[in-house]
Amino acid sequence: DGGITQSPKYLFRKEGQNVTLSCEQNLNHDAMYWYRQDPGQGLRLIYYSQIVNDFQKGDIAEGYSVSREKKESFPLTVTSAQKNPTAFYLCASSIVPGSSGANVLTFGAGSRLTVL
Amino acid sequence: AQKITQTQPGMFVQEKEAVTLDCTYDTSDPSYGLFWYKQPSSGEMIFLIYQGSYDQQNATEGRYSLNFQKARKSANLVISASQLGDSAMYFCAMREKIGSAAGNKLTFGGGTRVLVKP
Repeated sequence: DGGITQSPKYLFRKEGQNVTLSCEQNLNHDAMYWYRQDPGQGLRLIYYSQIVNDFQKGDIAEGYSVSREKKESFPLTVTSAQKNPTAFYLCASSIVPGSSGANVLTFGAGSRLTVL
Repeated sequence: AQKITQTQPGMFVQEKEAVTLDCTYDTSDPSYGLFWYKQPSSGEMIFLIYQGSYDQQNATEGRYSLNFQKARKSANLVISASQLGDSAMYFCAMREKIGSAAGNKLTFGGGTRVLVKP
């Protein structure tokens, strides 16, 4: 079955450490996204990519970095510069919309990061 | 200013009854899309329904319907015949700038938690 795999599901990190969250999709989607969700709140966009080797900052990119070396993969690194990294991180993918805006974002199951 | 506003942080609904979840949005773009997603306690986001700004009819998908009032900039979700499995967070989201390089991302509201009572 096609879908998005995020790993690890749970991750603990000490302050000052970088950590990389994995996101792999086999949906043949061109676009991929990373969102952050804090408890009881909505999703905020961190980074997105519409094509290999290209990506754009979202609304809260500070303290995060990404790469898009392969179409299937879009890893997110939470750096030590991120002041409050404890959150739930969701990866998503979609086709790139043309004139229609109806294409749906498909989400992974998420990764929960806790900084100790 | 908030792009997407969901004013109901939480709601109780009796099983088999209908529930309406409010969503208002703010955009000056004439071409936009509105989405509703469900997030159960497992955390995964599940797409429910989509409404385009130029769609003449309100969208429906099974027990889900979208009450789209363009002039009021509202896109309320109606869930009919609620089931226990409908207990979850529900998020309204919008896509603007369709057709441009920036038109690929969704902006989400803060969500509404629904608890269905047996």
